[in-house]
Amino acid sequence: GQQVMQIPQYQHVQEGEDFTTYCNSSTTLSNIQWYKQRPGGHPVFLIQLVKSGEVKKQKRLTFQFGEAKKNSSLHITATQTTDVGTYFCAGKRETSGSRLTFGEGTQLTVNP
Amino acid sequence: GAGVSQSPRYKVAKRGQDVALRCDPISGHVSLFWYQQALGQGPEFLTYFQNEAQLDKSGLPSDRFFAERPEGSVSTLKIQRTQQEDSAVYLCADRTGRVTGELFFGEGSRLTVL
Repeated sequence: GQQVMQIPQYQHVQEGEDFTTYCNSSTTLSNIQWYKQRPGGHPVFLIQLVKSGEVKKQKRLTFQFGEAKKNSSLHITATQTTDVGTYFCAGKRETSGSRLTFGEGTQLTVNP
Repeated sequence: GAGVSQSPRYKVAKRGQDVALRCDPISGHVSLFWYQQALGQGPEFLTYFQNEAQLDKSGLPSDRFFAERPEGSVSTLKIQRTQQEDSAVYLCADRTGRVTGELFFGEGSRLTVL
């Protein structure tokens, strides 16, 4: 079945450093979504990417969708302590109906 | 309601007990999803409803898991004869974005099976 892999599993940074998490799918995706889950919380939607090679920005966050629509990345510039949490990508295939397949997540900790 | 509401927030069950977890989605929203999130893992799809119709139940791990949404609003996830491996957070979500399809999750029900 479809697999979505994320790396790294954990990332510790000093406040002000940049952070990147990578997501790879074993199959071509129709779209990919990113979610953030704070410790003890539930996943919260950040963004959706649909087009091949698409790049979207939200303030310090930059999201990319690969040309082959099988990989994606999230880059945070100048991390802040409020960025702490686990970031998940979630992919959807054309043939998977409404089902989203989540990656294992990247847990980000930021040292002040 | 204003958001997706789940109850109970925490449930401790002895192995072999049956449990029922409730999800109250945003009023009028058609789609409802159940996901299972084990500790340190990403959410895993269990099942999907459109109104009262269960359109996809391929993620239910065994026949001990059963979900229903009889009137197309509140949904219940039932787990029979719970096992320790059922310990997880069970997340309910509805799909708020008619265009983008993003999921809006509830707070989850944390099930611990002893």
